[in-house]
Amino acid sequence: QVQLQESGPGLVKPSQTLSLTCTVSGGSISSGVYYWSWLRQHPGKGLEWIGFINYSGSAYYNPSLKSRVTISVDTSKDHFSLNLTSVSAADTAVYYCARRWGYFDLWGQGTLVTVSS
Amino acid sequence: EIVLTQSPGTLSLSPGDRATLSCRASQSFSSYLAWYQQKPGQAPRLLIYAASNRATGIPDRFSGSGSGTDFTLTITRLEPEDFAVYYCQQYGSSLTFGGGTKVEIK
Repeated sequence: QVQLQESGPGLVKPSQTLSLTCTVSGGSISSGVYYWSWLRQHPGKGLEWIGFINYSGSAYYNPSLKSRVTISVDTSKDHFSLNLTSVSAADTAVYYCARRWGYFDLWGQGTLVTVSS
Repeated sequence: EIVLTQSPGTLSLSPGDRATLSCRASQSFSSYLAWYQQKPGQAPRLLIYAASNRATGIPDRFSGSGSGTDFTLTITRLEPEDFAVYYCQQYGSSLTFGGGTKVEIK
């Protein structure tokens, strides 16, 4: 069965770039019908979508984060990545990758990223 | 942007009770609504999509209804493992999440 797993640093310094990768196992990211997504959840808060991308590289971003976000896909490695630039303490959150077909039917376990010097 | 308002913020119930959770939208978007369950320290889990369709493996005590601007998630008889936070999400116009309803043990 398809599984998603986030990886990347758990601590990032202010003003630097947060970089995470989501590896898809048990299936192919090139299946075509899905968008591969990033979301986050601030401590004790609700869910916020960051953006999503399809296998061909068409990406869509939350307007509130668009100026700082890049999502890319590597179909040869069945993974997709998130770059969030110029981070601040307000970007401290659990980051999730997820598979989207309108709704999000499959999620990674999430990874806590703390922004602190 | 469509705003989703979930109510109540917290629902205090006992195992075996019926839970009724509401999700109200600021404008209509047909039936492109999903419900998720999230337990502490875990990722959200898809329960319902297209307002009333149960996701794979979801028990039939969970049901969704509604259309337009008013949607409901009903849990007919609460099991101990159902105490969690529930979120609605619309995908009819871009996408947005509601703020969540916590179902806690009374």
